[in-house]
Amino acid sequence: SQTIHQWPATLVQPVGSPLSLECTVEGTSNPNLYWYRQAAGRGLQLLFYSVGIGQISSEVPQNLSASRPQDRQFILSSKKLLLSDSGFYLCAWNGGHNSPLHFGNGTRLTVT
Amino acid sequence: QKEVEQNSGPLSVPEGAIASLNCTYSDRGSQSFFWYRQYSGKSPELIMFIYSNGDKEDGRFTAQLNKASQYVSLLIRDSQPSDSATYLCASYSGYSTLTFGKGTMLLVSP
Repeated sequence: SQTIHQWPATLVQPVGSPLSLECTVEGTSNPNLYWYRQAAGRGLQLLFYSVGIGQISSEVPQNLSASRPQDRQFILSSKKLLLSDSGFYLCAWNGGHNSPLHFGNGTRLTVT
Repeated sequence: QKEVEQNSGPLSVPEGAIASLNCTYSDRGSQSFFWYRQYSGKSPELIMFIYSNGDKEDGRFTAQLNKASQYVSLLIRDSQPSDSATYLCASYSGYSTLTFGKGTMLLVSP
């Protein structure tokens, strides 16, 4: 069966510090991978998605970036965090269009 | 702008009652529809998906799709306090990514 791992679970970082969140999927090959952010009391905001190694689509311009160095690995990064980057970051995967998304457990990021 | 709309709630129902959660979507080309449950502080988990008009049942949950009226609903029978959560509706349209509604909070009182 397929599983998705996301870490860390919680993170407190000062403004201006870098960020690296990692997500890996097991039990499937060539998944579509996604990064979402959910601010407190808000809906899910799609940040990036990838349909293959090295292929990244950005949905929202911001100071975040994503990379997919391996088939089942997706990384969310920032060089300098802003207060507004605080939120609940979710990695997700699916097997293709029209198939359901499966979410990781999420990372709660607080920028202080 | 393709949208999925949900009443934010909260929807309050007593334990044992039927909870009815509704969702409308703007794109007539939408092909597949999903319901997720999200407990506070947790990630969304898939409850059901539906692709065809009509009803689809899974245990206490029934998803209903009406493409002519562009709405999707989720019925939860015999509601339990453990069903208290935010329910997210989502759909695909064309070859775009999954669009989520903002969710409806359900409160089931003992």
